[in-house]
Amino acid sequence: ETGVTQTPRHLVMGMTNKKSLKCEQHLGHNAMYWYKQSAKKPLELMFVYNFKEQTENNSVPSRFSPECPNSSHLFLHLHTLQPEDSALYLCATRGDGTYNEQFFGPGTRLTVL
Amino acid sequence: SQQGEEDPQALSIQEGENATMNCSYKTSINNLQWYRQNSGRGLVHLILIRSNEREKHSGRLRVTLDTSKKSSSLLITASRAADTASYFCATSRTTDSWGKLQFGAGTQVVVTP
Repeated sequence: ETGVTQTPRHLVMGMTNKKSLKCEQHLGHNAMYWYKQSAKKPLELMFVYNFKEQTENNSVPSRFSPECPNSSHLFLHLHTLQPEDSALYLCATRGDGTYNEQFFGPGTRLTVL
Repeated sequence: SQQGEEDPQALSIQEGENATMNCSYKTSINNLQWYRQNSGRGLVHLILIRSNEREKHSGRLRVTLDTSKKSSSLLITASRAADTASYFCATSRTTDSWGKLQFGAGTQVVVTP
C-alpha cells in the first residue's frame, strides 16, 4: 500500500451521467496530481494541486473538473464524457521537495458507454 | 513528442535471467525515476537517480544514467515471475515546475517460470 487510495476502483457510465472520482492520501503530502492512462500511451498529466491550489491544468477539456477541498482529498468530477475518455485514472501525491518521487493510488478504471 | 521513450516496448525472459531496458529523453533533467506497474494497478516507485549520479543500486535493481547521451538503463538481475510488470521511466526536467514528471510509454516485461 502506498498510502494513496482511490474510489471507486471501477466505474461504468453513460455519456450523459455525472460521476466523481475520489482520491485520499494519508501521507501528509501537499502536492497531488491527476493522470490519465490510456492503452499503449504514456501517462498524461491532467491537473496539479499544491497546497490545495490548482497550479496546472494541462489543457484538459472542461468535462473534467477537479476539486481539492483539503490536503487529504482530491476529486475529479466527470460530466458528459465521451467514449474516448475511457481509461485508467490515477491519482498521485508528492512529498516536500520538488524533485521527489510520486506515490500513486491504484487507479479508477473508467468505461464510458 | 514524449520526453521519455523506453526500449524495448516488450521483453520476455525466463526466471533467473537478467532484464535490461533503456530510456532516452530529450531535454535537461534534475533526475530520472523508474516506476513499475502491475496490470491495471497504480505505479510504484522503484529508484531515483539524480543528474549528477551515474549509477545506483537498489536490491536486484541497477540504474545507470548517461546525461551526455540523454539515456538511462534499468537492469533487473536474477528475474522472478513476480517481476512481470510494465516499467516506466520518468524525468523531472529542469524546465518543469511543481514536481512534474514526464513519463514514457513503458516496457512490458514478462518473466516466465
